[in-house]
Amino acid sequence: AQKVTQAQTEISVVEKEDVTLDCVYETRDTTYYLFWYKQPPSGELVFLIRRNSFDEQNEISGRYSWNFQKSTSSFNFTITASQVVDSAVYFCALSPGPSYSGAGSYQLTFGKGTKLSVIP
Amino acid sequence: GAGVSQSPRYKVAKRGQDVALRCDPISGHVSLFWYQQALGQGPEFLTYFQNEAQLDKSGLPSDRFFAERPEGSVSTLKIQRTQQEDSAVYLCASSLESREVSYEQYFGPGTRLTVT
Repeated sequence: AQKVTQAQTEISVVEKEDVTLDCVYETRDTTYYLFWYKQPPSGELVFLIRRNSFDEQNEISGRYSWNFQKSTSSFNFTITASQVVDSAVYFCALSPGPSYSGAGSYQLTFGKGTKLSVIP
Repeated sequence: GAGVSQSPRYKVAKRGQDVALRCDPISGHVSLFWYQQALGQGPEFLTYFQNEAQLDKSGLPSDRFFAERPEGSVSTLKIQRTQQEDSAVYLCASSLESREVSYEQYFGPGTRLTVT
């Protein structure tokens, strides 16, 4: 069974502060994929990043960065110099690795989300 | 290009009514997923299609839930005899297909179902 835990339910920061969203996962798969999605007030889930379990390199994209640590089963997300437009619910998600049986389903297991409020 | 579209965006049903929710995936995406998102929770997997084949329906909560994708494109999620606990946002997602890689899923705006 797969499980994703986002312990922070809500976070409030003042604009321009840095903020880190935590994600801890559990899986028995030797290969798997991790994702982050953003859900703004409009409701549509927006894909941010996909990372496979083979690649532990940290990634930076503009103000966003991700820290994947297999040893602690964590995939944390940092927003640098936060902006009001970053206000949203952020979800971490996990999918199984390749299944060569032909019937694999890369269904996503989501955490409960972290609601980020950036105050001007 | 066009993203995933869903209709209707909002649906109010009286308890006991049947409802049908539609999903138009991104053109060329072989994989299609349905998720249910309760208020304040993360989405939960319902079912998965590869083209027209429903390969995984392990997340459907009861036999009142039924999904189909007869021509491998548009999909319909049907809920029979709706109950109040069915009230949620129903999300559809599509992705590229590969046996070796889990590609990112692109989500539609969802259908918010309210059962009164």
